Amino acid sequence: DAKTTQPNSMESNEEEPVHLPCNHSTISGTDYIHWYRQLPSQGPEYVIHGLTSNVNNRMASLAIAEDRKSSTLILHRATLRDAAVYYCIPRSGNTPLVFGKGTRLSVIA
Amino acid sequence: KAGVTQTPRYLIKTRGQQVTLSCSPISGHRSVSWYQQTPGQGLQFLFEYFSETQRNKGNFPGRFSGRQFSNSRSEMNVSTLELGDSALYLCASSNEGTGRKWRGYTFGSGTRLTVV
Repeated sequence: DAKTTQPNSMESNEEEPVHLPCNHSTISGTDYIHWYRQLPSQGPEYVIHGLTSNVNNRMASLAIAEDRKSSTLILHRATLRDAAVYYCIPRSGNTPLVFGKGTRLSVIA
Repeated sequence: KAGVTQTPRYLIKTRGQQVTLSCSPISGHRSVSWYQQTPGQGLQFLFEYFSETQRNKGNFPGRFSGRQFSNSRSEMNVSTLELGDSALYLCASSNEGTGRKWRGYTFGSGTRLTVV
């Protein structure tokens, strides 16, 4: 499994953009980069995933470095509901999701 | 549409007993995974089933077992419970292998098991 490094915690003001970084320097060529988040007292929630190109969906954007050794999850306007632990997970094929410690995001009103 | 349903939500058991937890995936999903979450170890993968076959297995002792039925519902069993088995057990399903656009794993709210 590719090793990931994420900040333990980050803080953002409400309605401001948030950039959550992830380093995955040992990622293999077939690993997709997945992001999940876990809100308090809930199971994890799928956010987005990508392989090489930047990806957008209604929840977030994923910017992947050209060498694929890092990626950034972008929340365009943080809300209080976005306060959660965010996990960056490289995953290949049908291998299981391996969760690290993630980044705890706090959003300040 | 209905999400992933786990029952029961809360459970208290005594050391040495066994327990069975149930997971009903989203309709049409054939892949079901189980995770254990504790404050100390975080989220750890237990096993995954796909079309009634165990496809992946995590690094847990043989006391932890699971199965998947033909309707994709899954159960996990823990025998000879230990205090350290107290955790939140999460189930997730996905639409892998259905030919539809993959939308990630959908997790249930979990079963909180307390072993006393």
